[in-house]
Amino acid sequence: AQKVTQAQTEISVVEKEDVTLDCVYETRDTTYYLFWYKQPPSGELVFLIRRNSFDEQNEISGRYSWNFQKSTSSFNFTITASQVVDSAVYFCALILGSYNQGGKLIFGQGTELSVKP
Amino acid sequence: ETGVTQSPTHLIKTRGQQVTLRCSSQSGHNTVSWYQQALGQGPQFIFQYYREEENGRGNFPPRFSGLQFPNYSSELNVNALELDDSALYLCASSSGVQNQPQHFGDGTRLSIL
Repeated sequence: AQKVTQAQTEISVVEKEDVTLDCVYETRDTTYYLFWYKQPPSGELVFLIRRNSFDEQNEISGRYSWNFQKSTSSFNFTITASQVVDSAVYFCALILGSYNQGGKLIFGQGTELSVKP
Repeated sequence: ETGVTQSPTHLIKTRGQQVTLRCSSQSGHNTVSWYQQALGQGPQFIFQYYREEENGRGNFPPRFSGLQFPNYSSELNVNALELDDSALYLCASSSGVQNQPQHFGDGTRLSIL
């Protein structure tokens, strides 16, 4: 069975601190894709990044960076110099590469990040 | 480029009633997926439509049904509403079936009294 675990339910930091959100996934498929989404209070899920299972290169986009390690089945997300606007719920998600799965995104429980001024 | 739009924004129904939620996909996208998000939980996949055909279904009973139209917009219908159906219903569209990012709308918040 496929599963995504975000063990941190809530994280609270002070502005300018660095923060890492953990994501561990389970799948027996060799082809899969991992995602991070941000959900502000408005409710819309905002796409942040997609990674495929064959590309373990870390990625940096501004203050955001992602660390993908297949050996530990983890896809962690780090925000450097956090800002109040980063406050939101962040979801890690998995989608399998097999066609018959019908594009089902499997989400973790989410991590609520609160950045205080 | 127009994003994913959902209507209505909020809806209040009573047990046993039926509800229809609507979604317009982002331009250029032919695939629509629906998710249910209970309070404090991650979204759960309901089903996906690709070129007007259901293309995958999650663990939801048959009273959850859907449609996709030739313009790729979609409807989610729920019959015989139950209290546990209270949730945020999210629609997402994408340009392919599998690995393309799904782009989400703001959702419809459904409350069952």
